[in-house]
Amino acid sequence: DTEVTQTPKHLVMGMTNKKSLKCEQHMGHRAMYWYKQKAKKPPELMFVYSYEKLSINESVPSRFSPECPNSSLLNLHLHALQPEDSALYLCASSGGLNGGLFFGSGTQLSVL
Amino acid sequence: QKEVEQNSGPLSVPEGAIASLNCTYSDRGSQSFFWYRQYSGKSPELIMFIYSNGDKEDGRFTAQLNKASQYVSLLIRDSQPSDSATYLCAVIWATGFQKLVFGTGTRLLVSP
Repeated sequence: DTEVTQTPKHLVMGMTNKKSLKCEQHMGHRAMYWYKQKAKKPPELMFVYSYEKLSINESVPSRFSPECPNSSLLNLHLHALQPEDSALYLCASSGGLNGGLFFGSGTQLSVL
Repeated sequence: QKEVEQNSGPLSVPEGAIASLNCTYSDRGSQSFFWYRQYSGKSPELIMFIYSNGDKEDGRFTAQLNKASQYVSLLIRDSQPSDSATYLCAVIWATGFQKLVFGTGTRLLVSP
């Protein structure tokens, strides 16, 4: 199984809502990532988890809260988002220090 | 400021031609380099990685790395209309543990 699975594929939420994005991989990878991608821009790193511990936080606002319950799962909890947070949110996993990342299909988020 | 730079394009080539995509990076100590393909509305797909100076071939794709000049390139032989996509160069910074940073991407258009 070489897939990274993300749910939901699409999400529309209001600025007062709380929602969560979910990501799952069964490749035995020990590093998992959240990226944010705006239209016609490259993916921007948000968070990195290594061996279930948060290793990188790219100064992301606290309205985004990551969680790694185990080595296969990664969540991104969303609260009080702004319309400018509308973007494609990508989860990825990696098998090694110099390994490439494998991306899920993403969650297209719209904040109204 | 560490940067990965690509010409945004579009790069237009006729079907059957060789497409040449280029990328430069600023961190001289970087060791790992990747090419991703991203179709519109989809997530990035890893197509090539290269760690050593020289060429690496995989089917119609050839990645070229020159660490002294700090550039990496991707050649696509016998280009097909289905190769039309945005190609993202990505680099793991030498001092950034598992931090994969993307260039802005080059849009490739292959005309029949």
